[in-house]
Amino acid sequence: DAKTTQPTSMDCAEGRAANLPCNHSTISGNEYVYWYRQIHSQGPQYIIHGLKNNETNEMASLIITEDRKSSTLILPHATLRDTAVYYCIVRRTASKLTFGTGTRLQVTL
Amino acid sequence: SAVISQKPSRDICQRGTSLTIQCQVDSQVTMMFWYRQQPGQSLTLIATANQGSEATYESGFVIDKFPISRPNLTFSTLTVSNMSPEDSSIYLCSAKPPWGRLGETQYFGPGTRLLVL
Repeated sequence: DAKTTQPTSMDCAEGRAANLPCNHSTISGNEYVYWYRQIHSQGPQYIIHGLKNNETNEMASLIITEDRKSSTLILPHATLRDTAVYYCIVRRTASKLTFGTGTRLQVTL
Repeated sequence: SAVISQKPSRDICQRGTSLTIQCQVDSQVTMMFWYRQQPGQSLTLIATANQGSEATYESGFVIDKFPISRPNLTFSTLTVSNMSPEDSSIYLCSAKPPWGRLGETQYFGPGTRLLVL
């Protein structure tokens, strides 16, 4: 599975959009981009995933560049409860879910 | 989504003993997984729990240390054997349901926080 690169940490003011970038320049055609988050002392929570089209659900939007080498997870109106470690993972559907170090998002007042 | 519960939620154990962690899913799932998360670290996959056959272990993890059972499509156990303080971690169960659109994902339990003294 392709390797991903994420910033170690980010801050976001409450009520603002949080835009979390992820680079996956070696992604192959059959690999999906997944986003999970882990709030302190909880198990990881699935957020969203996509192949090449932009995706939106009740939690977030996923924007994938046309060349698929990078993506951005957007939390449109961040709240304090969105403070967590966010993991960007690239994988084929049949392969294992492998976690990197993620981005620690701190939402502040 | 699948709802996953784990028991116990936390435990403190003495070195040399063993602990069995239970994972229950509220629906039948094709694949179940066990992860470890050491303090301050990301998640590491221990093994895939296969229903009706032996678990498949990742590099660095062995059956003698982490025996796994998968008696049916909704339940699995992970045993941490002959524990040492280095085994102090959060152990997480995960499941992949058979339904959903292509590329369906995995869901995670709340984790079992283990401290070995």
